[in-house]
Amino acid sequence: AQSVAQPEDQVNVAEGNPLTVKCTYSVSGNPYLFWYVQYPNRGLQFLLKYITGDNLVKGSYGFEAEFNKSQTSFHLKKPSALVSDSALYFCAVREGSWGKLQFGAGTQVVVTP
Amino acid sequence: DTAVSQTPKYLVTQMGNDKSIKCEQNLGHDTMYWYKQDSKKFLKIMFSYNNKELIINETVPNRFSPKSPDKAHLNLHINSLELGDSAVYFCASSQSGANEAFFGQGTRLTVV
Repeated sequence: AQSVAQPEDQVNVAEGNPLTVKCTYSVSGNPYLFWYVQYPNRGLQFLLKYITGDNLVKGSYGFEAEFNKSQTSFHLKKPSALVSDSALYFCAVREGSWGKLQFGAGTQVVVTP
Repeated sequence: DTAVSQTPKYLVTQMGNDKSIKCEQNLGHDTMYWYKQDSKKFLKIMFSYNNKELIINETVPNRFSPKSPDKAHLNLHINSLELGDSAVYFCASSQSGANEAFFGQGTRLTVV
């Protein structure tokens, strides 16, 4: 069975500092990995995905994520956080093309001025 | 035009009532989903349809019945609403395969 874990409920970072949101996964086959962001009272917005190819994936709003197969991780990163990046971030995994898209519990990011 | 749209955005109803939430996508996708987000923001898949066929049916009470009249629409009907059904329900769509899902704005259901 597939699973995805986000070990931090909340990440606090000062504006301008690097931001990292952690995600680990477990699947029996090839993982398809995604990051989404949710602003208050809004739907989820897609940020980036890893399907195959380069382990470093670049996405929207300056975010990137690194796929690490040996550590079964897919951490989200941004070199310089903005106050407007404050939101709820979800990691998701799909096992193969037809597997269900399963979400982690979410990590609240708080960026302070 | 909104890519994935849900109606209504808010729904307040009494226990025991029956209600429906509608979802439409104009992206030409062949797969649609319903997710439930609880008060702790945890997202759980409920159903998935591909080309109008049910492909994922998680452990959901049979009071919840999805209906897909065509590839662009996936509606959710809920019978005999209970207090525990209060949540935000998200519709989403994707093109089959490894592609990302696009989400609607959600329907906040409150059962009183």
